[in-house]
Amino acid sequence: SYELTQPPSMSVSPGQTASITCSGDKLGDKYACWYQQKPGQSPVLVIYQDTKRPSGIPERFSGSNSGNTATLTISGTQAMDEADYYCQAWDSSTVVFGGGTKLTVL
Amino acid sequence: QVQLQESGPGLVKPSETLSLTCTVSGGSISSYYWSWIRQPAGKGLEWIGRIYTSGSTNYNPSLKSRVTMSVDTSKNQFSLKLSSVTAADTAVYYCAREKFEDIVGAILNWFDPWGQGTLVTVSS
Repeated sequence: SYELTQPPSMSVSPGQTASITCSGDKLGDKYACWYQQKPGQSPVLVIYQDTKRPSGIPERFSGSNSGNTATLTISGTQAMDEADYYCQAWDSSTVVFGGGTKLTVL
Repeated sequence: QVQLQESGPGLVKPSETLSLTCTVSGGSISSYYWSWIRQPAGKGLEWIGRIYTSGSTNYNPSLKSRVTMSVDTSKNQFSLKLSSVTAADTAVYYCAREKFEDIVGAILNWFDPWGQGTLVTVSS
């Protein structure tokens, strides 16, 4: 079965850039999206169709997808961006989520 | 703005059937895909399946034998039934609207918005 691999955790200093990766076989041939989930809350879509931001998502969130890796980039990271982030794609008639990355802002 | 709300029993006995309903407000349920996703405590997300408003369904192969979904467009609701539950089915269950489109052989899909989630515990 298809797998999406994310680093379990990463940390970033306020104001710096966080790049969260999501790896999968030929992921660049698929469409990827990203969700942010804060403790006790439902996931929120932050990037869809590899690079697009839904209405209301700050411009500091951006995405890319090429080769075997999709990347979520948060520029000028703020304390409010501390959360779990999940990538997601579609393969062989099923939805696949990455294992999630816990982003700590400190 | 579309909002989703899950409802159903928070406690289900082992071997019984879990039943949840998602009510859609602020918009019509028609002409969209609707999905169920679950998340065990402290773990990641798992897609359970989707239903279109025509009643057409797709299920996660790992759960397919135990899952049934239905839709009631007159009530703006869709439902999930998961049979023969065990402790491994204990999780927060979310409903979500799904964008799903085949673009030149590549599937475009994402989930937005999500319901607030409901915790279902399987225990005797």
